[in-house]
This record gives sequence, structure tokens and C-alpha cells, in this order.
Amino acid sequence: DVKVTQSSRYLVKRTGEKVFLECVQDMDHENMFWYRQDPGLGLRLIYFSYDVKMKEKGDIPEGYSVSREKKERFSLILESASTNQTSMYLCASSQAGRWDTEAFFGQGTRLTVV
Amino acid sequence: TQLLEQSPQFLSIQEGENLTVYCNSSSVFSSLQWYRQEPGEGPVLLVTVVTGGEVKKLKRLTFQFGDARKDSSLHITAAQPGDTGLYLCAGHTGNQFYFGTGTSLTVIP
Repeated sequence: DVKVTQSSRYLVKRTGEKVFLECVQDMDHENMFWYRQDPGLGLRLIYFSYDVKMKEKGDIPEGYSVSREKKERFSLILESASTNQTSMYLCASSQAGRWDTEAFFGQGTRLTVV
Repeated sequence: TQLLEQSPQFLSIQEGENLTVYCNSSSVFSSLQWYRQEPGEGPVLLVTVVTGGEVKKLKRLTFQFGDARKDSSLHITAAQPGDTGLYLCAGHTGNQFYFGTGTSLTVIP
């Protein structure tokens, strides 16, 4: 069974902390994505990566960075957590170069910044 | 940013009723997908439509892609409580997915 696994389902962090969200996929996918999901706003793309060590900014990259040192792992970093970063974070992966590719998602990490 | 607007945002209906959800954009996509998300889980793909005017059926769900490949609809016949969830459309182009704002469906037994 194909899988995208996020390291935590729930996290509570304090304002100003550095936060790491980890995502691992076992499908040998080239593309990986980090989205943020808020009610009424759908999924907004933070960053995506189409290859190891490659990254591209999405729609809302401010306050975030990413790391992709290995093909299967894509990490989202909140440099200094703030309360407005309280949200559901979803990681996804997809196969590159196919018109009918689909995004496979992890179960999500609900982050609360207090 | 390529925006996809979904309507309605919320929908609460009785079991057995029919419903339609709409997804509209000003952009043309290579394909359009529909995902369903249940509470506490990530979205899961339901269908991909590629050709303008294409209609796909998945049991009681009917998906249509607009002729100009900018919009889509999802029709559910005789809704059941198991259909409850968040429905998301997503336009796919290049290597990216552009997600809609979502429709939260509740089917009351």
C-alpha cells in the first residue's frame, strides 16, 4: 500500500520556537509538496520540490523554509513559529511527467502555536 | 496564483437527495481532479477528467469537465451519510496542483 507519512498528527509549540514537520513517501515520487489548510481557504501551497535539493516557493512561503536532502523525505521548517501559523499542514507527493498523475497525501499535522 | 472557486461552500442535505457542486476557474488546466477528505485524514483522489466535455461516473457520483477545460461539476445522486466529507477540486498543470476552496457536505440520515 502506497504511503505518505507525516511524523506527527498533533503538535503544540510555543511562539518563537523552531518547528520541524517531516514527511516521508515510499513511492519514489519526484514531486513533493507542503500545503496549509484553513477553513474556507482550501489548500494553499507553501513550497514544492521536483527533485532532491530543489525547491520552489508556492503561494505562501513567508515564515517557512524546506529541506529535501533525500528523494523520499521533504521537511517543512517554521523558523520562528507564530500564532498565525496555527493550521493543518498536509504533505503530498506525485509522480512527475504524467498528465493523469494524482497527489497522494499524508494524514496531516495539526499544529497549534500558543 | 491560479484560483479555483467552489460553490457552495457548505451543503447540508437529507439522505436520498441529489446535489451538485461546482468548481470554476479563469484558467485552463491539463486535467481536473476531484478529491474527498474525511475528518482527520488527507484528501483522496476520486476522479481525473482530461478532455473538454468529458463525463465520468463513479457509482452515484457523476463528474463533468467543462468544454473549455476551466470548470467542472460533481453531481451526487441519492446521497448517503457515507458521502459526508470535504470535496475539493484541483486543476493540474505542469507539475503543480491548484486546489479549490472546498465544499463541506453533510448528509443527514
